[in-house]
Amino acid sequence: SAVISQKPSRDICQRGTSLTIQCQVDSQVTMMFWYRQQPGQSLTLIATANQGSEATYESGFVIDKFPISRPNLTFSTLTVSNMSPEDSSIYLCSAGRGNGNTIYFGEGSWLTVV
Amino acid sequence: DAKTTQPTSMDCAEGRAANLPCNHSTISGNEYVYWYRQIHSQGPQYIIHGLKNNETNEMASLIITEDRKSSTLILPHATLRDTAVYYCIVAIGGSQGNLIFGKGTKLSVKP
Repeated sequence: SAVISQKPSRDICQRGTSLTIQCQVDSQVTMMFWYRQQPGQSLTLIATANQGSEATYESGFVIDKFPISRPNLTFSTLTVSNMSPEDSSIYLCSAGRGNGNTIYFGEGSWLTVV
Repeated sequence: DAKTTQPTSMDCAEGRAANLPCNHSTISGNEYVYWYRQIHSQGPQYIIHGLKNNETNEMASLIITEDRKSSTLILPHATLRDTAVYYCIVAIGGSQGNLIFGKGTKLSVKP
C-alpha cells in the first residue's frame, strides 16, 4: 500500500487569496490525481498530475484556477487561486502505480473560504 | 459520468452480512470493478477490486456476475464502524487510474 500525506489538513482562507496544498507519497508512484469534494457531494476529478509536464485537466477545470505541479514521482501540489466561497471543499490527492494496482487516497484538505 | 448504478442507501443489522449491489452494464473487457468507502470526514478507503473472478480479502468479498454487468460487495459481519458511503467504480486498470466516482450507497449499520 501507499501512504499519502496532505498539508494543510484544514484551513480557513480569505476571499481572493490563493492556497497551495501539498501531497507527499511514501513511495514512488506512476500516477497522481487531484479531486474535489464539495459539501454533501461525491468526488470530482480535477486533473491528473503528470511528472515533468503539464497536468491534464478534466472538463470544467482550468490551469489558471488550479495550477498543479509534480516535480518528482512522490510529490505534487495543487493551488486554488483567487478563491471564492464556492471553492470551499475538500481537496483530495490520490496516487497509484497503474497497471491494475490500487489507487490510494490522502485524508484530504478541508478548505473554507470566507 | 459514472458508469455504475447503486442504491442510494441501505440499512444492515450489526453482525449480519451487508450485501451492496452495483450495476455496470456497459463495462468494457479491460475495465476493473473497484470498491471504496468513505467514512465521514475521511479520505476514501480502498476495499477491493476485481476483473472477472470473485475476490476476497480481509475486509470484504467481491462477487462479479459471469457477464460482468453487475457485482456485489459483501461485508460478512457488519459492525457500526462500517457505516459509510460505499462507491462502486469501473475503471481501466492499465495505463489509466483516474477513478470516476458516482454518488455511492450510504450504508447504515444499526445495533
